[in-house]
Amino acid sequence: EVQLVGSGGGLVQPGGSLRLSCAASGFSFSGYWMSWVRQAPGKGLEWLANIKQDGSEKYYVNSVKGRFTISRDNAENSLYLQMNSLRVEDTAVYFCATDADRSLGFDPRGQGILVTVSS
Amino acid sequence: DVVMTQSPLSLPVTLGQPASLSCRSSQSLGSSGANTYLSWFHQRPGQSPRRLIHKISKRDSGVPDRFSGSGSGSDFILNISRVEAEDVGLYYCMQGAYWPYTFGQGTKLEI
Repeated sequence: EVQLVGSGGGLVQPGGSLRLSCAASGFSFSGYWMSWVRQAPGKGLEWLANIKQDGSEKYYVNSVKGRFTISRDNAENSLYLQMNSLRVEDTAVYFCATDADRSLGFDPRGQGILVTVSS
Repeated sequence: DVVMTQSPLSLPVTLGQPASLSCRSSQSLGSSGANTYLSWFHQRPGQSPRRLIHKISKRDSGVPDRFSGSGSGSDFILNISRVEAEDVGLYYCMQGAYWPYTFGQGTKLEI
């Protein structure tokens, strides 16, 4: 059963940095593209970035390009999102998801990772 | 970016009655159902989204057969044949045909 456990969120000041982690289990992590998605308070879902199985290809939405970096460690079955130059509008719950066949799979038991950017 | 527009934004329903949710894309997502990357997700408050359907009409494992997806090109529909109480929440469509993936703004299903 797919399990995606996120960590690394918290309160950070504008301009600061955070690194989110997502520990994967229950499936062959190295065989999947992976994505990050976020949801601002009371708002809809926004896809942020994805990464190919071997890390050789990465794609980003314009709103985070140049500030966020997606990466992975297949030996550790882990996905990461390095977030720099954080803005108040980056405040959201962040989800990691499998990315297969141009669609996303979330862990139904996952709560997401809360990131609050505020002074 | 491809804009996904859902309607209605709020859908009051009666238990046991059908419901129909619409999703329209600003560009065609393809003409072949087998490779048209349109997915539907359901999200309850405080929970992660759950995918219901991908590639327009392919139901995910464990999804009740009262959920069905249809459409082509730029117009897509999620139908619920008989609404149950557990179906309340937000429904999002998402296109995966173009980078970046984009979601609709959501339809809130309420009893």
